[in-house]
Amino acid sequence: EAGVAQSPRYKIIEKRQSVAFWCNPISGHATLYWYQQILGQGPKLLIQFQNNGVVDDSQLPKDRFSAERLKGVDSTLKIQPAKLEDSAVYLCASSRMEGGRLGLMDEQFFGPGTRLTVL
Amino acid sequence: SQQGEEDPQALSIQEGENATMNCSYKTSINNLQWYRQNSGRGLVHLILIRSNEREKHSGRLRVTLDTSKKSSSLLITASRAADTASYFCATEVSGGSNYKLTFGKGTLLTVNP
Repeated sequence: EAGVAQSPRYKIIEKRQSVAFWCNPISGHATLYWYQQILGQGPKLLIQFQNNGVVDDSQLPKDRFSAERLKGVDSTLKIQPAKLEDSAVYLCASSRMEGGRLGLMDEQFFGPGTRLTVL
Repeated sequence: SQQGEEDPQALSIQEGENATMNCSYKTSINNLQWYRQNSGRGLVHLILIRSNEREKHSGRLRVTLDTSKKSSSLLITASRAADTASYFCATEVSGGSNYKLTFGKGTLLTVNP
């Protein structure tokens, strides 16, 4: 099966500019996640969608970050305006997790990520 | 917030040796997962161990879980140069109807040929 697709792979912008990332999850996966991974750290969950509804955005800096998942498939993550500390790799992941806990459906599949550099 | 903490932060071994990485966490979990991240690539799921399990094997990987000590270990036997990567433990906790993973900072494993 095709994996999680992300674009672009790399992006360099100046502070205060805007940027958007795109993610296409594995077909049939109900849950989609956006993570931020700063150099030398583990991924930090920004937002989690179940189909097209948000189930967790507690760590999303909502004054500058926004995300949507139209039609419960593709998703975009936007930063406006960007700050220097937003330099990181933005990872998208998906999992099956359909309507309640299914024991074998807990694995998350990650895309290659988008490396953002804010100058 | 940090849930899992891997130890050591970095590990360098020779090909053929075994590598052991540890993970400690703070709160009760549903399951614990280990992921690998090669340089410049996304994370790949390695193994999942549930809170009611104590040990699990997958190929050259062995994972143990001690819920009384809130700790887990990942053992890679007969390591290969291709095992060079960062290894992360991720704990799954539930918050009402939501389940999410919290990752540690990772262990950087270098396997020298």
